[in-house]
Amino acid sequence: GAGVSQSPRYKVAKRGQDVALRCDPISGHVSLFWYQQALGQGPEFLTYFQNEAQLDKSGLPSDRFFAERPEGSVSTLKIQRTQQEDSAVYLCASSLSGTGKNQPQHFGDGTRLSIL
Amino acid sequence: AQTVTQSQPEMSVQEAETVTLSCTYDTSESDYYLFWYKQPPSRQMILVIRQEAYKQQNATENRFSVNFQKAAKSFSLKISDSQLGDAAMYFCAYRSYPGGGSNYKLTFGKGTLLTVNP
Repeated sequence: GAGVSQSPRYKVAKRGQDVALRCDPISGHVSLFWYQQALGQGPEFLTYFQNEAQLDKSGLPSDRFFAERPEGSVSTLKIQRTQQEDSAVYLCASSLSGTGKNQPQHFGDGTRLSIL
Repeated sequence: AQTVTQSQPEMSVQEAETVTLSCTYDTSESDYYLFWYKQPPSRQMILVIRQEAYKQQNATENRFSVNFQKAAKSFSLKISDSQLGDAAMYFCAYRSYPGGGSNYKLTFGKGTLLTVNP
């Protein structure tokens, strides 16, 4: 597609349920990022992939959060045993190359996750 | 770790007027990138303008320009001839210069909500 595609756009889950959020980056983009944006805040880094390799997961808030990109294209962010504090917008971004000097990150529309 | 501070939670401007959004940052690095992103209610982050720290010349994109003061670690955004479509949340962001181990993640400020009055 022309841009970064995220699904679902909205997700409501009960506390304790597992959720999976999908990101389809721009075709050919090597780097993929996940960010978490709490209400009224700026996005915060969660994790980074270069192709299928997860090179940085330092931003994942707990071991309930897990991300994968098995074939180096589509990525899934999974949250197990959701808590109310997980309610946020989850943004995915991709860029052409992880080594390019000034490759901009292109963002999707995000998934708004609400935990009841 | 780098930090980005936006001290203006909200700003307003009259249509056709000029407004300046403030951003300061803290880093020990000498080379880096700075960005301004716009986030309308649709939630998509849209790149407005970017600046490479080693370039002394301030970046300009049509009605958008920056005032980059490296020594003061300041990076303000000026919007000239404001239009109704400029109304959005604006985020200042920092990114390290590519190098060994760098993951190019963006560090964002908390944002400034810009309202444009007709």
